[in-house]
Amino acid sequence: EAQVTQNPRYLITVTGKKLTVTCSQNMNHEYMSWYRQDPGLGLRQIYYSMNVEVTDKGDVPEGYKVSRKEKRNFPLILESPSPNQTSLYFCASSRNRGGTSTQYFGPGTRLTVL
Amino acid sequence: LAKTTQPISMDSYEGQEVNITCSHNNIATNDYITWYQQFPSQGPRFIIQGYKTKVTNEVASLFIPADRKSSTLSLPRVSLSDTAVYYCLVGGNRDDKIIFGKGTRLHILP
Repeated sequence: EAQVTQNPRYLITVTGKKLTVTCSQNMNHEYMSWYRQDPGLGLRQIYYSMNVEVTDKGDVPEGYKVSRKEKRNFPLILESPSPNQTSLYFCASSRNRGGTSTQYFGPGTRLTVL
Repeated sequence: LAKTTQPISMDSYEGQEVNITCSHNNIATNDYITWYQQFPSQGPRFIIQGYKTKVTNEVASLFIPADRKSSTLSLPRVSLSDTAVYYCLVGGNRDDKIIFGKGTRLHILP
């Protein structure tokens, strides 16, 4: 089944404790991205990657890191999480870059930083 | 990337046709218009995409006037399960970033 998976689905952590949220897709997509969703603010893009070893900042990259060492995986790293990073996070992938390529989303990761 | 403006929320009743309009005054020649649907605690999913005039699939229709400065997503005979947030995106195949915005929260009443 074609899908985007994320782990963990739920995470409660404390300020400053490094964490990684994994994202994997099995569709051989080139483009992958991370979003955060907060009440009243909609979906905002954090980082995106157009291919292996090619990543760039979205609209809200501060406090996050990403890597794309393999085509299928695109982990999101919070090296020193803070409470304002409490949010619902989505990973997405698409065949190509751009606004015309259908985005396929993962199930989401609900992160709470205490 | 063209900026889009949608109503924040809408209410309708089961069985009605719902039209959600999106404004995109600065749409570029190569831009397409895409709509996504998001249920609570799920990721958005693609509904429909178009460039001009009218596009229809099994879920919705998309109407785009000749000047392409706006578009209307039409959901025929909605049910309670159509309660969701609907996002209008405008972009071309050269865009690197993707902007979803705040979407329109549609609430279907019995």
